[in-house]
Amino acid sequence: SAVISQKPSRDICQRGTSLTIQCQVDSQVTMMFWYRQQPGQSLTLIATANQGSEATYESGFVIDKFPISRPNLTFSTLTVSNMSPEDSSIYLCSANRVSTDTQYFGPGTRLTVL
Amino acid sequence: GQQVMQIPQYQHVQEGEDFTTYCNSSTTLSNIQWYKQRPGGHPVFLIQLVKSGEVKKQKRLTFQFGEAKKNSSLHITATQTTDVGTYFCAGQGSGYALNFGKGTSLLVTP
Repeated sequence: SAVISQKPSRDICQRGTSLTIQCQVDSQVTMMFWYRQQPGQSLTLIATANQGSEATYESGFVIDKFPISRPNLTFSTLTVSNMSPEDSSIYLCSANRVSTDTQYFGPGTRLTVL
Repeated sequence: GQQVMQIPQYQHVQEGEDFTTYCNSSTTLSNIQWYKQRPGGHPVFLIQLVKSGEVKKQKRLTFQFGEAKKNSSLHITATQTTDVGTYFCAGQGSGYALNFGKGTSLLVTP
């Protein structure tokens, strides 16, 4: 399985500020994704991080609110912009290796917005 | 769009009892994946089912994929307290993105 790390593991932020979450994979992968998991809920896909081009966002998520970068095959960032308490959630990065559909998840970033 | 329904939402069993969770997709899937998330943890991949009618076993866990590739189940035989957690199914259609069910939270009491 791919080893995926995320930073920070948790943060408490003030309303109106922004937070950038980093995701690093230990090996080359084809696809990287960002999910949100609100307390006690399932995982919702935010976007697919595309290397060298704009991310592909799911319905209900926009680039201005969740800008994503993927400068190379093994690294991606998600920024949660102009945060409000409704953004309090766990943000998870996932990736799948070349030639497999299986997705592996990072440990997540637990965000609390006051 | 594709929707994945999962039932039950919660299940409380005595240790040693069996447990089953079911998933249904609104569309035909290319594959279905199952994950387990312990309280406070992140989803951990359990298995992927690809073929119509496929059945796979991992010790006390049995996974099935329906003939029409629209439904799946996870059955745990003789549950143990270590089985506690939330079990998610996730369907994959034509792309790589996963569409998660709402999960079934399993509580096992000794």
